[in-house]
Order: sequence, then structure tokens, then C-alpha cells
Amino acid sequence: GQQVMQIPQYQHVQEGEDFTTYCNSSTTLSNIQWYKQRPGGHPVFLIQLVKSGEVKKQKRLTFQFGEAKKNSSLHITATQTTDVGTYFCAGTNTGNQFYFGTGTSLTVIP
Amino acid sequence: EAGVAQSPRYKIIEKRQSVAFWCNPISGHATLYWYQQILGQGPKLLIQFQNNGVVDDSQLPKDRFSAERLKGVDSTLKIQPAKLEDSAVYLCASSWTSGRVGEQYFGPGTRLTVT
Repeated sequence: GQQVMQIPQYQHVQEGEDFTTYCNSSTTLSNIQWYKQRPGGHPVFLIQLVKSGEVKKQKRLTFQFGEAKKNSSLHITATQTTDVGTYFCAGTNTGNQFYFGTGTSLTVIP
Repeated sequence: EAGVAQSPRYKIIEKRQSVAFWCNPISGHATLYWYQQILGQGPKLLIQFQNNGVVDDSQLPKDRFSAERLKGVDSTLKIQPAKLEDSAVYLCASSWTSGRVGEQYFGPGTRLTVT
């Protein structure tokens, strides 16, 4: 069945270090979204990518959609304590079904 | 602008009992989603409505779960009878877009504990 895996599952970084999470789908996706969920909170939309090879930036965050539209990445430059949370990718497959990834939990050590 | 409202926020029931959750989406949002999020996992889409029609319910356990969105606004999700493995946070989300999934706004969720 549909699988959207993220690695790593957990990441601890010192404040100021960079962080990257990778999202891999078993099938081609028509789009990819990224959400952030703070501990005890609900997912908050960050961005949507739809084009093959697309790269978007939001301040210290850089999002990329793979050429084959089966993978994506989120890179955070110079992490801050406010970046703590779980980052989820989510995408729509060719059957128009929507799946969230397994998530990467980020801890930032001050 | 008011966000997505959900109630109750917490619910504890015994297995084999029934439970219902309510969601009021952001005004004007055509699409409404219900998700199940088990601790430590990503949200799993249970059902997607566009106005009052079902777009996708392929992952809804229809033998015990049901959902409706009367008049294309509020929605309820029911579990009858509940099992221990239904313990999770049930999230409701809504979006402007219809058809393909767009930016979703999530409510605070209902935390269900089945004992």
C-alpha cells in the first residue's frame, strides 16, 4: 500500500546547527505539503510544492520536491529553539488519495 | 477569523461504548477532513468531504466508524462500538480548495481514551 516514509525519525541538534528531514514516497505524488506540529499541538501548514524539482524558501527553511516527484526535503538553517516540533510531509498520490508521512521529531538544545 | 472548532476536547469511554465528535470548519471552507492520529504517528486521513459529499473514505473503518456533514458545514464523526485501538487524537481540518488537497487548517483535536 501507499507509504510515505520520513528519515530520520528523531533528530537532536544544538541551537545554531542545521537540520534536514527527508520524505520518500513509494509512488509518484501530484503535490507535497509540509506541516509542523508542536508538542501537544495540531499540525500547522508550512508550504505546498507541485512542480518537479521545485525549490521554495521561507526565511531559514528550504523545501525541495524531487525530479521524480517521489521525494522531498526540508532544510532548516541555523536552528532556533522555536523550531522544536515534529515535521510532517504529506502528499496526494495519482489515485487522489492523501497521506501524511511518518514525521521527524526535532529537538533543539540551547 | 475564527479557526476550526472541535468538541469535546477530551473523552474517556469504555470499550464497546459509542462516542461522537463534532467539528465546525472555518466559514466558507468547502472541504472538511477527519484524521486519526495515534501517539507517535502521522495523521491518517479517515474521510474527506467536499461540501456535503464524500470525496475519499477509503481508510475509514466502516464497520464501526461513520461520519456525516449535513448542509455542507458542521460534521460529526461517530465510533460505534469503540475498541482499545481507537485511542487516539481525532483531528478535523478544513480548506478552501475543492478537488485536490490544498492548505489545510486544523482544529485542536479530540483526545479519545478507550479503556
